[in-house]
Parts: sequence; C-alpha cells; structure tokens
Amino acid sequence: GESVGLHLPTLSVQEGDNSIINCAYSNSASDYFIWYKQESGKGPQFIIDIRSNMDKRQGQRVTVLLNKTVKHLSLQIAATQPGDSAVYFCAENTNTGNQFYFGTGTSLTVIP
Amino acid sequence: NAGVTQTPKFQVLKTGQSMTLQCAQDMNHNSMYWYRQDPGMGLRLIYYSASEGTTDKGEVPNGYNVSRLNKREFSLRLESAAPSQTSVYFCASSPSQSLTQYFGPGTRLLVL
Repeated sequence: GESVGLHLPTLSVQEGDNSIINCAYSNSASDYFIWYKQESGKGPQFIIDIRSNMDKRQGQRVTVLLNKTVKHLSLQIAATQPGDSAVYFCAENTNTGNQFYFGTGTSLTVIP
Repeated sequence: NAGVTQTPKFQVLKTGQSMTLQCAQDMNHNSMYWYRQDPGMGLRLIYYSASEGTTDKGEVPNGYNVSRLNKREFSLRLESAAPSQTSVYFCASSPSQSLTQYFGPGTRLLVL
C-alpha cells in the first residue's frame, strides 16, 4: 500500500481480474477521502470519494472501503482493464483543515 | 468546458532565472491550488487560494509566490529558480476548500 517512502509500490494484475489498492492514512481526524487516478503525463483524475460516516461506497467498477479503526483505505477495481493502468493515490482531508494530504501512490499495471 | 488549463506545458530554466506558471479554470470554482509532484513523493501543496482575493501558504511555499488575479486565474511565480525546484507543477480547483479538486495537465519544469 501507499506510504511516504522513496519508491512507488507496484501492482500487476491480469486483465479481467480484480485489483485491490491499499492506502494507510495518518490523521485520525481525517473525515473525507478521495482516490485519484493519474495516467502517465497527465494530471490526477477523481475516481471516487468517501466520508468518514461511511465504510463502503461503490461506483462504476470501483469500490472504496474505509476502516477507521486501523486508518486504512482501499480501492477495489472490478474486471481490471488495460486502460486502468496508472498510478493511484489517496488523499485525506479533515473537516477543519484546509489541505488535502496525498499519498505517494501505487502503480497499477494491467497485463493483457 | 476546458476545465483547468496550465501554461506552459514544459519549461527549462537556468538557476536564478524567474518565470510565472499560469493556471485558469472555467468551472466557476472558488478555491484554487498549486502543487508540486516529485518522484517517490505525493503531491505537496505550495499555495492555495480559498477565494478570490485571498492566498495562503501550504506545505512547501519557500521560493514561490502566487497571485489570484481573478476568480478564474491563479498564477505561481518563481523569482529565482533553483535546481531543487525541478518538478512537475499541478494546478487544481475546487468548489470550496474541502471538496474534490480538479487538476490541470501539469507543467514540467527543469532548472539547470
């Protein structure tokens, strides 16, 4: 999963399989979380968000799970496609804060 | 709608030179942000503007200045570029401070 580190975690999956990308966040006061997708040479793109009063939220082919007890967030991508190959990272925000804090990202490679 | 646009896409500077990175959004968002993205690290906030006429420092403001010219435009200035400022710079906007941010395509800056 993501962490503040020197290298980017990587995940390789076969096309059609499900992908799970993990993120450990740092601030127990964070109450809003976003997953972003960043393709090579492009800006981050919003995928899905979740507030701390929820533990699961589903979108189109994506599901975000939030475990506040262990400060862990995950992004599940169903039936992964080659177009899903990108860097994925989470961002956290506190209700009283004025900044989002971004993780370092996980690089997902989909093998055709 | 073009969303968030940034100019230039790529720039090479010599140490000590100055330049301004331009950002504009056409989504009528109140808040705008400047981030830098370095290899192995998450996006780090340089400056943000919660609304027209206001600007505040983020996590890494040293060596930068910003101007919120109007509601649409938010520029980032490097007065005396240093090699440590070699990075990819992203501008983002959001309806308010704590909501989803929409990113531009980025400016790749190389300082020699």
